[in-house]
Amino acid sequence: EAGVAQSPRYKIIEKRQSVAFWCNPISGHATLYWYQQILGQGPKLLIQFQNNGVVDDSQLPKDRFSAERLKGVDSTLKIQPAKLEDSAVYLCDSRFVVCVVTWEVHEQYFGPGTRLTVT
Amino acid sequence: DAKTTQPNSMESNEEEPVHLPCNHSTISGTDYIHWYRQLPSQGPEYVIHGLTSNVNNRMASLAIAEDRKSSTLILHRATLRDAAVYYCILRPSGSQGNLIFGKGTKLSVKP
Repeated sequence: EAGVAQSPRYKIIEKRQSVAFWCNPISGHATLYWYQQILGQGPKLLIQFQNNGVVDDSQLPKDRFSAERLKGVDSTLKIQPAKLEDSAVYLCDSRFVVCVVTWEVHEQYFGPGTRLTVT
Repeated sequence: DAKTTQPNSMESNEEEPVHLPCNHSTISGTDYIHWYRQLPSQGPEYVIHGLTSNVNNRMASLAIAEDRKSSTLILHRATLRDAAVYYCILRPSGSQGNLIFGKGTKLSVKP
């Protein structure tokens, strides 16, 4: 079964280095999210895309984090420069929602995540 | 902040039913109740969701209180593979909005 692909699965970098993560969502899913999950906590939203446009980036630390989804399919998340506190799992969430009055179709899958360790 | 309250942890015995509670006293009329689980070293996995009526699927059942201020995720026969963190989340109907995760309930299953 095709799922949400993320790469790399693991990355170790030193502080002040740069890193990029890639997400390939489910085909046809217009909405894509990036979450950050620090050990022992639930995932926290970083940015939401609808097709190739940003819907919500209010919680993205824009001084060091950037993300794009140029063609409305794959997305990349970049950190430059990384800090120790950026050590976390970065999750991609692929979603399709259609709502007509009280009838709704909601399809959603998370990727396996990229575990980043900053030393 | 998460709009739901869950116990930090629960224990169950293998092959016994598990009832995971969730309180959401500030739920609005158009909020769906979603449950996800996260196994170690994996991304969250959708389990079930509902609006007003109880729901069943191959993974679990969702029992929603009549006033919708609480719900219970029911695993009918726990297996060792059900050991995970279970998250209860509210999502406005039709929205593709942010899911606000709390800390969830860590379920341990004993053989």
